[in-house]
Amino acid sequence: QKEVEQDPGPLSVPEGAIVSLNCTYSNSAFQYFMWYRQYSRKGPELLMYTYSSGNKEDGRFTAQVDKSSKYISLFIRDSQPSDSATYLCAMSHGGAGGTSYGKLTFGQGTILTVHP
Amino acid sequence: DADVTQTPRNRITKTGKRIMLECSQTKGHDRMYWYRQDPGLGLRLIYYSFDVKDINKGEISDGYSVSRQAQAKFSLSLESAIPNQTALYFCATSLNSPSTDTQYFGPGTRLTVL
Repeated sequence: QKEVEQDPGPLSVPEGAIVSLNCTYSNSAFQYFMWYRQYSRKGPELLMYTYSSGNKEDGRFTAQVDKSSKYISLFIRDSQPSDSATYLCAMSHGGAGGTSYGKLTFGQGTILTVHP
Repeated sequence: DADVTQTPRNRITKTGKRIMLECSQTKGHDRMYWYRQDPGLGLRLIYYSFDVKDINKGEISDGYSVSRQAQAKFSLSLESAIPNQTALYFCATSLNSPSTDTQYFGPGTRLTVL
């Protein structure tokens, strides 16, 4: 079983729809949770960064973390064609020291297409 | 100018050839990473370096080697390329901080091994 599971999609939605992207994880030591967006032929770029359970909002994007269920989500409101990309969840142990220090574990990525 | 650059951007080579992928950064970060990306598998860590004197294997280091020539430069080598090393390769950097592991990625190198 992979430490981080993410439905690869692909997911196709009409413009204006609410999009929900999700990841589950098995390692309870993960403390920091990130969402990266990757456009075609580009490197991933950080979209959202959260620590601990709860919600974090940034414009049309909301990141949600539920540590008790080992489940994280990214919601996109009023989706736009420019949101079409691959979305990767990532998480890390954080903290100082240890063999996992500074390393990210990524989900497989979900391919999203928003059509006009 | 881009903060993290990779050369070459595309490379086609033959089985058995030695290949070097280069990464340079102007972000002043101490930590650098090499990943490969394959469809359906996400990003997998090959090697990482927390400073010039520190090199560590990631989850899939077999068949690869690295060199950290300076704080700003981190190269990945395939000593004898094989077809299943065909993939998209990314270099990334991050700050040396225990409170955040945000990584910044280069544009990638698309490698094809025939």
